[in-house]
Amino acid sequence: NAGVTQTPKFQVLKTGQSMTLQCAQDMNHEYMSWYRQDPGMGLRLIHYSVGAGITDQGEVPNGYNVSRSTTEDFPLRLLSAAPSQTSVYFCASSYGRGVDEQYFGPGTRLTVT
Amino acid sequence: AQSVTQLDSQVPVFEEAPVELRCNYSSSVSVYLFWYVQYPNQGLQLLLKYLSGSTLVESINGFEAEFNKSQTSFHLRKPSVHISDTAEYFCAVIRGAYSGGGADGLTFGKGTHLIIQP
Repeated sequence: NAGVTQTPKFQVLKTGQSMTLQCAQDMNHEYMSWYRQDPGMGLRLIHYSVGAGITDQGEVPNGYNVSRSTTEDFPLRLLSAAPSQTSVYFCASSYGRGVDEQYFGPGTRLTVT
Repeated sequence: AQSVTQLDSQVPVFEEAPVELRCNYSSSVSVYLFWYVQYPNQGLQLLLKYLSGSTLVESINGFEAEFNKSQTSFHLRKPSVHISDTAEYFCAVIRGAYSGGGADGLTFGKGTHLIIQP
């Protein structure tokens, strides 16, 4: 099993550009989520999904969009990048909702200039 | 909504000494509690969790945490640390089953950087 994979590992964007962060898992997990990690802030939930076709907002959803067309993939879209979105982004998955162990991807380090 | 407070942003400790990383939480509903560890340049890994039952939970690498409902705490301890324990440690909570609405994900503390000195 590859577990949770994320691409790209690093990305630099200019303000106003859009892009998609990719996340895939091969463990047949129903629950997937996106977090951002900022220094001194811990991880904050952006969006999550409890299954294909179902998504919901987390703590900090503004400026991000998600969809879940398959069980395996959960891409995160930045619609119009802003410097405040400079962060490390982690995708996670688990069998059920968060009481089960969440498996985290290696992260994507995004810089918006 | 839930919140998690990790009082110490950094904890330096000598190798083979004991350590305690503090975590307090606030919630109006029942919660489940977790400790995750992040080694340098990696994602997070589950260290241990409390869902129900015995309030003392242990990990396979010698860490333990005790759930204290009256003090709303879930402190992490290890009797003797090793250089390989150097990492960022995150306490997290999620609302319990049947505990009503709200975003359904983990709420993390800000993290404690454990620094092991030789």
